[in-house]
Amino acid sequence: GENVEQHPSTLSVQEGDSAVIKCTYSDSASNYFPWYKQELGKRPQLIIDIRSNVGEKKDQRIAVTLNKTAKHFSLHITETQPEDSAVYFCAASIANSGYALNFGKGTSLLVTP
Amino acid sequence: DAGVIQSPRHEVTEMGQEVTLRCKPISGHDYLFWYRQTMMRGLELLIYFNNNVPIDDSGMPEDRFSAKMPNASFSTLKIQPSEPRDSAVYFCASRSGQSPNYGYTFGSGTRLTVV
Repeated sequence: GENVEQHPSTLSVQEGDSAVIKCTYSDSASNYFPWYKQELGKRPQLIIDIRSNVGEKKDQRIAVTLNKTAKHFSLHITETQPEDSAVYFCAASIANSGYALNFGKGTSLLVTP
Repeated sequence: DAGVIQSPRHEVTEMGQEVTLRCKPISGHDYLFWYRQTMMRGLELLIYFNNNVPIDDSGMPEDRFSAKMPNASFSTLKIQPSEPRDSAVYFCASRSGQSPNYGYTFGSGTRLTVV
């Protein structure tokens, strides 16, 4: 089955700096890659996603890049703010699995003022 | 829409007892997923349904776990008998196969503690 690796497991940045989280996946058939943000005690919330026919997608301070050849994708957060502090999960899925998600282990991001 | 609704929010039970977790997906969504979240293993897919039919249950840990979806608006995840290692947050999520947005909505989760 699909295996998603996520790094780093923890990341601490100063407010205003950029944060980058990287993920790799194993199944070349994977074609959908969402990112979720989870605050303590809350449900995971979708923040951005990308499909395999796109190399990059941006939404305000958040961007995701995908390299299908290398089977890795990354989340970039610019101008970080304290409210960006949370656990971020990447995931990969395949169309013929109903888009069931295989998650990475998560990255705990701390943005210090 | 009220979103994906899970009950109970918290459950504390003794080892050996039966536990039933409940989920009401978003109306019109034809896919329903059950995930389990622990510190050690992260978010794991347990089982998913399409049009009330179980499609993939390969993530169900063992025979003590069972899931049903008797209709489009209700699903249960049952653990019998429960064990301390089943302690986790169990999330239900749903999505629409007709939506161009492949992402889906999680419920608030059920925090299960087995003592």
